[in-house]
Amino acid sequence: DAGVIQSPRHEVTEMGQEVTLRCKPISGHNSLFWYRQTMMRGLELLIYFNNNVPIDDSGMPEDRFSAKMPNASFSTLKIQPSEPRDSAVYFCASSSHSGTAYTEAFFGQGTRLTVV
Amino acid sequence: KNQVEQSPQSLIILEGKNCTLQCNYTVSPFSNLRWYKQDTGRGPVSLTIMTFSENTKSNGRYTATLDADTKQSSLHITASQLSDSASYICVVTPGGSYIPTFGRGTSLIVHP
Repeated sequence: DAGVIQSPRHEVTEMGQEVTLRCKPISGHNSLFWYRQTMMRGLELLIYFNNNVPIDDSGMPEDRFSAKMPNASFSTLKIQPSEPRDSAVYFCASSSHSGTAYTEAFFGQGTRLTVV
Repeated sequence: KNQVEQSPQSLIILEGKNCTLQCNYTVSPFSNLRWYKQDTGRGPVSLTIMTFSENTKSNGRYTATLDADTKQSSLHITASQLSDSASYICVVTPGGSYIPTFGRGTSLIVHP
């Protein structure tokens, strides 16, 4: 398996533009996480999906952020409109969840977003 | 509030030397603790995972310890190599939860 695949690797956009980040989880994993990493705050969980259903989105900063998982092999994180403070590295991670047991979460290589 | 504190924030050592990174947490109830290694420009990769009943776990030159009573963990790196230069992140997951609490990480630089 190629691991968790994120695209694009780098994104530079102007303030006010819409940004869409994409993630393909590891085949067979039923849990997907979107994280944001900044120097100031470290890694923060934004949203968690289980079996394609959003379970917890309490980490999503505000209504400008939205995430979807239309099927088991694809998820998107959208920011509209983007702001300079959204500049960060966004990671997608996937794992298997069975009952209360969680296997290791495997991270993608991240998307470095710069909003100017 | 669940918190994970790591120290030191950064560390510089010479190649071949040993070092120990610290992690203190207040996460409760406790399920498991992971140490991740994050190379620059890449996603975190799990090094070790420990549950409540485990107090030592090794992965090559990396040895993690856990004291669940004092809520402390350490990551010891033996005979450091240049490739060990990275950020090391301590992550604690509460019992029955999928939401981990991340430490801010320790940035390790290994000089030749």
